[in-house]
Amino acid sequence: EIVLTQSPGTLSLSPGERATLSCRASQSVSSSYLAWYQQKPGQAPRLLIYGASSRATGIPDRFSGSGSGTDFTLTISRLEPEDFAVYYCQQYGSSRYTFGQGTKLEIK
Amino acid sequence: EVQLVESGGGLVQPGGSLRLSCAASGFTFTMYWMHWVRQAPGKGLVWVSRINSDGTRTSYAGSVQGRFTISRDNAKNTLFLQMTSLTADDTAVYYCARDLYGDYAQDSWGQGTLVTVSS
Repeated sequence: EIVLTQSPGTLSLSPGERATLSCRASQSVSSSYLAWYQQKPGQAPRLLIYGASSRATGIPDRFSGSGSGTDFTLTISRLEPEDFAVYYCQQYGSSRYTFGQGTKLEIK
Repeated sequence: EVQLVESGGGLVQPGGSLRLSCAASGFTFTMYWMHWVRQAPGKGLVWVSRINSDGTRTSYAGSVQGRFTISRDNAKNTLFLQMTSLTADDTAVYYCARDLYGDYAQDSWGQGTLVTVSS
């Protein structure tokens, strides 16, 4: 089973700053199979990015995804107050999905 | 508007069984693969199971394989998760989610139903 490790565990930034979140896989993942989600307290997850770099419907262009192989990145170019949340990466392989443990993005 | 509404959660004793339902509306249910994802209190997301559009192919996380069964009733636009041999580790909010058509992600989610396994 592929294990996804996200870093950092917590990221403290201010509105307007740039956020860079990392997701590292224990073995190579097809870019087509890598997604990112945002989850706010008490809410269901929301799909942000699929196929490593494609934004889901309605997602602002300040969110971008990149990477390949074992290293993937979610970048938020300029943080808005509503972006402070927990972010998860997810991969698909061998008919199963796995999530990373999450990165909490908090207001500094 | 896509809507997914889970039901069937509650308190169950260790070793017990429970069946969750997810009522889907606002899209052509028969076209989409569907998933269950869970989240233990204060913890991260864990993918549980997936079923294809006509219900003939399923897959499960190792932690639930052999204990949980995913199914669907396309005539009633409803997804199910039958859970047996429940343990405290199965305590979680269970989300129903729609597969992103033609891709590998989940693009619509319900609000979840809480399952608590405790004596």
